[in-house]
Amino acid sequence: KQEVTQIPAALSVPEGENLVLNCSFTDSAIYNLQWFRQDPGKGLTSLLLIQSSQREQTSGRLNASLDKSSGRSTLYIAASQPGDSATYLCAVTGSGGSNYKLTFGKGTLLTVNP
Amino acid sequence: SQTIHQWPATLVQPVGSPLSLECTVEGTSNPNLYWYRQAAGRGLQLLFYSVGIGQISSEVPQNLSASRPQDRQFILSSKKLLLSDSGFYLCAWSGLINEQFFGPGTRLTVL
Repeated sequence: KQEVTQIPAALSVPEGENLVLNCSFTDSAIYNLQWFRQDPGKGLTSLLLIQSSQREQTSGRLNASLDKSSGRSTLYIAASQPGDSATYLCAVTGSGGSNYKLTFGKGTLLTVNP
Repeated sequence: SQTIHQWPATLVQPVGSPLSLECTVEGTSNPNLYWYRQAAGRGLQLLFYSVGIGQISSEVPQNLSASRPQDRQFILSSKKLLLSDSGFYLCAWSGLINEQFFGPGTRLTVL
């Protein structure tokens, strides 16, 4: 059974700092990995999708990497801003017949202080 | 562009009452559709998914059911709500590469 762990559970940083959020998964046979952002009381916003054949994806100040063999992904946020404050969720889909199913971590609550 | 809608946004229901939550997607055809529940401290749990009209797969046994009467419409239902059904219900869709996009969610409180 796939398990996804996110470390740290919470992170507080001053504005302008670069930061890294970590995600690990137990079964390396994944189809893809997604990073999401969730604001309080809201739905999930997809930030980046990394397919299993890819090593990284970039969008603006965000960079996500994937090391399938070690079961790890990182989300790098450059020059953090107060508007980046949210919960960040990592999720993986299995390969083969379970490539529809997202397994989520519990998230990292990020607070960027002005 | 694609848009996903959910309603209602919030709902307070007594135990034993029925439930119907609706999700619709615009701007795409033949999407895969999903219902998730997010409960405090428990993360996101996949409840149902659908690859086409009338095709529903359930991930966990529970007090809920789902239906897909039209290509871009997904409905979550219950005949009799339990206290444990409280939570934040999220609908999502995906296309060819299984990138999932989520709706704004429905906050359900069962009293």
